[in-house]
Amino acid sequence: EVQLVESGGGLVQPGGSLRLSCAASGFTFSNYEMNWVRQAPGKGLEWVSYISSSGSTIYYADSVKGRFTISRDNAKNSLYLQMNSLRAEDTAVYYCARQIPDYWGQGTLVTVSS
Amino acid sequence: QAVLTQPSSLSASPGASASLTCTLRSGINVGTYRIHWYQQKPGSPPQYLLRYKSDSDKQLGSGVPSRFSGSKDASANAGILLISGLQSEDEADYYCTIWHSSAWVFGGGTKLTVL
Repeated sequence: EVQLVESGGGLVQPGGSLRLSCAASGFTFSNYEMNWVRQAPGKGLEWVSYISSSGSTIYYADSVKGRFTISRDNAKNSLYLQMNSLRAEDTAVYYCARQIPDYWGQGTLVTVSS
Repeated sequence: QAVLTQPSSLSASPGASASLTCTLRSGINVGTYRIHWYQQKPGSPPQYLLRYKSDSDKQLGSGVPSRFSGSKDASANAGILLISGLQSEDEADYYCTIWHSSAWVFGGGTKLTVL
């Protein structure tokens, strides 16, 4: 069974940083592209970032470019999102999602507020 | 203008069919894209429903009932999610997405009410 479990969310002040993690199991992680997708409270889905299976190709949404960094450790079956210079508008549930995306984690809530 | 436009809401009766549209911005040809559809219920992550590009390039998600199907309306430059035999459990938000210009682009979502 495919499982994606996010962690690392929480309350952070504007300008602060957080690192999200996603632990993957139930599939060969190193064979799959991965994404981070977020959803602000009461709003729709917004794609944040993509990383290829090897980590060699990375894309970001314009809204986070230069502030967020996606990475992966295939030996640890883990995906990461380093978030710096956080803003109030980054407040959202952040989902780790496989490939298409077809499978999604339960999400981790990031709240940016003073 | 948004890349993908979905009506914000739709209502339909139990047992009826519902057709949810996902219109691509002018200049972006629906024929060249795989359109993926998701269902999201309150407090839960999105669930993958299906993809549709053509009748020869389509796939239903794992465990998704055959009541869900995809199609396109080339004249409207839109993808369509058709749900037949509506059930109360189909009441949810539905999102479409395409891979466009090195990004996953989502539509704004349609809230389907079954009443």
